[in-house]
Amino acid sequence: DTGVSQDPRHKITKRGQNVTFRCDPISEHNRLYWYRQTLGQGPEFLTYFQNEAQLEKSRLLSDRFSAERPKGSFSTLEIQRTEQGDSAMYLCASSSGESQYFGPGTRLLVL
Amino acid sequence: AQSVTQPDIHITVSEGASLELRCNYSYGATPYLFWYVQSPGQGLQLLLKYFSGDTLVQGIKGFEAEFKRSQSSFNLRKPSVHWSDAAEYFCAASFGKAGNMLTFGGGTRLMVKP
Repeated sequence: DTGVSQDPRHKITKRGQNVTFRCDPISEHNRLYWYRQTLGQGPEFLTYFQNEAQLEKSRLLSDRFSAERPKGSFSTLEIQRTEQGDSAMYLCASSSGESQYFGPGTRLLVL
Repeated sequence: AQSVTQPDIHITVSEGASLELRCNYSYGATPYLFWYVQSPGQGLQLLLKYFSGDTLVQGIKGFEAEFKRSQSSFNLRKPSVHWSDAAEYFCAASFGKAGNMLTFGGGTRLMVKP
């Protein structure tokens, strides 16, 4: 069991560019979650998958954000037309029961 | 509204002293409760969890937490703090069924004096 992995760990982009992040959950975990954490705050829920199905999306997830989990394994989170307000740590977690296990996060800086 | 509150933004303790971090929740029933720790620039590590049963739960790294229904609280404790415990601590709750999204408190930053 290698834990949840995320790639890249850091991303710097210019405003208006698109970015995509990847999350690989703990193997055989059927649930996968995305959270966003801004400096000095607790993480905030973005969206959640059970297997391939996206079951819940936060109102924080604007039209510029899209997430997929095509084969029920890894997931991608894409942000289109990035804005400076998108600068944050994007955290992925996976679960097979009540407890969620987090990856190291992807830190995004939008210039 | 369902929420999690951590009243203390910063706490400083001396190495070897005891520690208690406070967490309160707002919900009409008992949620699933968790404590996580986050070192700078890192993800979150699960310290312990409470679902039901014994209200005193033991976790990793010598931490424990006590659930008090009457106070809607789930405070984290450690009898003797080590310098390596300096980090940000987050209380979180899952409301409703198991596996639901987590709602986090704002976090408490722990500093440890030598």
